[in-house]
Amino acid sequence: ETGVTQSPTHLIKTRGQQVTLRCSSQSGHNTVSWYQQALGQGPQFIFQYYREEENGRGNFPPRFSGLQFPNYSSELNVNALELDDSALYLCASSLAAGGLETQYFGPGTRLLVL
Amino acid sequence: AQKITQTQPGMFVQEKEAVTLDCTYDTSDPSYGLFWYKQPSSGEMIFLIYQGSYDQQNATEGRYSLNFQKARKSANLVISASQLGDSAMYFCAMRERDSEGYSTLTFGKGTMLLVSP
Repeated sequence: ETGVTQSPTHLIKTRGQQVTLRCSSQSGHNTVSWYQQALGQGPQFIFQYYREEENGRGNFPPRFSGLQFPNYSSELNVNALELDDSALYLCASSLAAGGLETQYFGPGTRLLVL
Repeated sequence: AQKITQTQPGMFVQEKEAVTLDCTYDTSDPSYGLFWYKQPSSGEMIFLIYQGSYDQQNATEGRYSLNFQKARKSANLVISASQLGDSAMYFCAMRERDSEGYSTLTFGKGTMLLVSP
């Protein structure tokens, strides 16, 4: 196990609702990245947080937002949910940002939007 | 052009045999890292092996080795002595800096490996 935890494990929402997913990073890690993995695809980078600030963002609309807290845990918020937001959301932590460090992933949150 | 290409949607191998999973990449960043992750049906991405662009030797981690051919931009994963527990989805990924200087991790579409007894 990596020490990265995510909650909840599964979630069902309806279109238009809002959702918050949570991630606790591995001890000693100060960077958290979030990924969306649609069924049958590889993970897609959403954004990364380093020392409580967004430090890189993929091609996702502003309704995907995040936070990182002083203890380096993180939240992913998605507003105005759409059916295509149904996916596995993965959180990964690493020691520093900007380098080529290895990211360690949590077990993911499976989101279903009806 | 895709940054990471995995051309094998699925691979079959018998237990105890070796298998190679292909990965090619495309980047203009001279400093990059290549990773392989394993994803069982449970969903968690498990880190297997890392190769830096400046590393002179191919990376090895137990039964996993990375056949790094920089000129061909390929980073194939070799699993020796396959085990039933190796059945999973395998992703190749590349870490590089984007145009704004941020470090990003890009994944391929994955290869499903099935190990038979």
